[in-house]
Amino acid sequence: KQEVTQIPAALSVPEGENLVLNCSFTDSAIYNLQWFRQDPGKGLTSLLLIQSSQREQTSGRLNASLDKSSGRSTLYIAASQPGDSATYLCAVPTGGGNKLTFGTGTQLKVEL
Amino acid sequence: DAGVIQSPRHEVTEMGQEVTLRCKPISGHNSLFWYRQTMMRGLELLIYFNNNVPIDDSGMPEDRFSAKMPNASFSTLKIQPSEPRDSAVYFCASSLGGNSEQYFGPGTRLTVT
Repeated sequence: KQEVTQIPAALSVPEGENLVLNCSFTDSAIYNLQWFRQDPGKGLTSLLLIQSSQREQTSGRLNASLDKSSGRSTLYIAASQPGDSATYLCAVPTGGGNKLTFGTGTQLKVEL
Repeated sequence: DAGVIQSPRHEVTEMGQEVTLRCKPISGHNSLFWYRQTMMRGLELLIYFNNNVPIDDSGMPEDRFSAKMPNASFSTLKIQPSEPRDSAVYFCASSLGGNSEQYFGPGTRLTVT
């Protein structure tokens, strides 16, 4: 059974700091990994989808990396801003289909 | 595109009542997913459809839950009878299938008293 873990569970940083969120998964037979953000009381917004054949994917200040062999992904956020405050979730397809297994999430707070 | 549309956004009902949640996926997407999110269990997949056909319903908690997708632009998740432990946020998501990104709706917050 695929298990997805995110560390840390919560993170508070001052504005402008670069930060890394971690995601680990137990079954490396995945074909992609997706990062989402969720604002309080809102739905999930897709940030990045990284295919298993890729090692990195970038969108603006965000950079996601994927190391299938070690079962790890990181989300790097450059020059953090208060608007980045949200919960960040990673998810991987499970069982050979489109069924996503989500991580436990990292709650990020960027302070002025 | 308007994105994934869900209704209602909030539902408060009494135990034993029937609840129907609705979802309109993004036009052209052929996969649709229903998820449930709670503090205790996080996000869980309940069921997903591909080309309007249910593919995996192993996450549906019990027979009180049922889902249908009569056409490519509409799906329902029904709970009958509802119980307080069904209180959660229910999300619908859609994708182009295969290795594509999933796009989520805003969710329906269900409270069963």
